[in-house]
Amino acid sequence: DAGVIQSPRHEVTEMGQEVTLRCKPISGHNSLFWYRQTMMRGLELLIYFNNNVPIDDSGMPEDRFSAKMPNASFSTLKIQPSEPRDSAVYFCASSFRTNTDTQYFGPGTRLTVL
Amino acid sequence: LAKTTQPISMDSYEGQEVNITCSHNNIATNDYITWYQQFPSQGPRFIIQGYKTKVTNEVASLFIPADRKSSTLSLPRVSLSDTAVYYCLVGDGVKFNKFYFGSGTKLNVKP
Repeated sequence: DAGVIQSPRHEVTEMGQEVTLRCKPISGHNSLFWYRQTMMRGLELLIYFNNNVPIDDSGMPEDRFSAKMPNASFSTLKIQPSEPRDSAVYFCASSFRTNTDTQYFGPGTRLTVL
Repeated sequence: LAKTTQPISMDSYEGQEVNITCSHNNIATNDYITWYQQFPSQGPRFIIQGYKTKVTNEVASLFIPADRKSSTLSLPRVSLSDTAVYYCLVGDGVKFNKFYFGSGTKLNVKP
């Protein structure tokens, strides 16, 4: 398996633009996680899906952020409109079942909002 | 909610054993303790997981006392390539779907 795949790897955009980050989890994994990492706040869990259903999105910072998982092999994290404070590395991870299972992280998307 | 506390950083020398302790006073009965390693510009990578007592694999050992309010990750004979950030993760037993990475410990291995 190729592991968790994220795209793009780097994204530079201007404030106010819409940004869409994409993730393909490992085949057969039922749980998918979106994280954000910054120097100031460390690694934060944004949202967690189980069997394509959002289970907990309390980590999503505000309404500008939304995440979807239309099927077992694809998820998106959208920011609209983007702001400079959204600049961070966004990681997607997947696991076989629950949060106690090993999570496999993707390479991350480095987002810069100018 | 079961949050964790770790030292911000540690220094070591090649060949030494390194022990990183994580405090999780509010750990719940069903929570597991998991440690991850993160290199710069990469996502975290699973190292080891345990529930109680001691767990050992090919890269590390995990020691968990009876009260489970802390855990210690032990890295035997570290090398320069072990320089990374190490995270302690505890599953949240109240909202079992949600959990927190700790602040992470930056381990710097010197030659």
